[in-house]
Amino acid sequence: NAGVTQTPKFQVLKTGQSMTLQCAQDMNHEYMSWYRQDPGMGLRLIHYSVGAGITDQGEVPNGYNVSRSTTEDFPLRLLSAAPSQTSVYFCASSSTWDSSTDTQYFGPGTRLTVL
Amino acid sequence: SQQGEEDPQALSIQEGENATMNCSYKTSINNLQWYRQNSGRGLVHLILIRSNEREKHSGRLRVTLDTSKKSSSLLITASRAADTASYFCATDAYSGAGSYQLTFGKGTKLSVIP
Repeated sequence: NAGVTQTPKFQVLKTGQSMTLQCAQDMNHEYMSWYRQDPGMGLRLIHYSVGAGITDQGEVPNGYNVSRSTTEDFPLRLLSAAPSQTSVYFCASSSTWDSSTDTQYFGPGTRLTVL
Repeated sequence: SQQGEEDPQALSIQEGENATMNCSYKTSINNLQWYRQNSGRGLVHLILIRSNEREKHSGRLRVTLDTSKKSSSLLITASRAADTASYFCATDAYSGAGSYQLTFGKGTKLSVIP
């Protein structure tokens, strides 16, 4: 199993550009989520999904969209990039919908810089 | 908002020594988890302790939980250079509609000097 994969590893955008961060898992996990990690901060939850077709907002959802059309994929879309979105983005998944009681498997991260 | 807070923010020890990190949280929890993050990598799950458990072991790791003090500690015994990483505690926080989500602290950066 590849586990949780994320592409790209690095990305530089100009303010106002849009892009999609890709996340895929091959473990048939129900739950998937996106976090951002900023220097000196922990991880903050952006959006999450408890199954295909079901998504919900986390702590910091503004400026981001998600969809979950398949169990495997959970892309994160930046609609109009802003410098405040410069961060490292992590995708995570767990086998059950209850993320608080289940091991989270993290991808390697995408380092995004918005100029 | 962040539920857990680790202490200290940074810790530097010699190889072979024990390392202790603490996590305090604000509201009642069902579970608490510890994760490790090597530089430039994703987080890796270390251990989960439930609210009705007081202590749990996994290899060189020992986690304690004191729900009366709303705190947990992670002890790494006989540390190795490979233990150099950031360590995060994660607690469940109610996010509405019967759903609990994990919230992470800011982490303790551990440096083990060979």
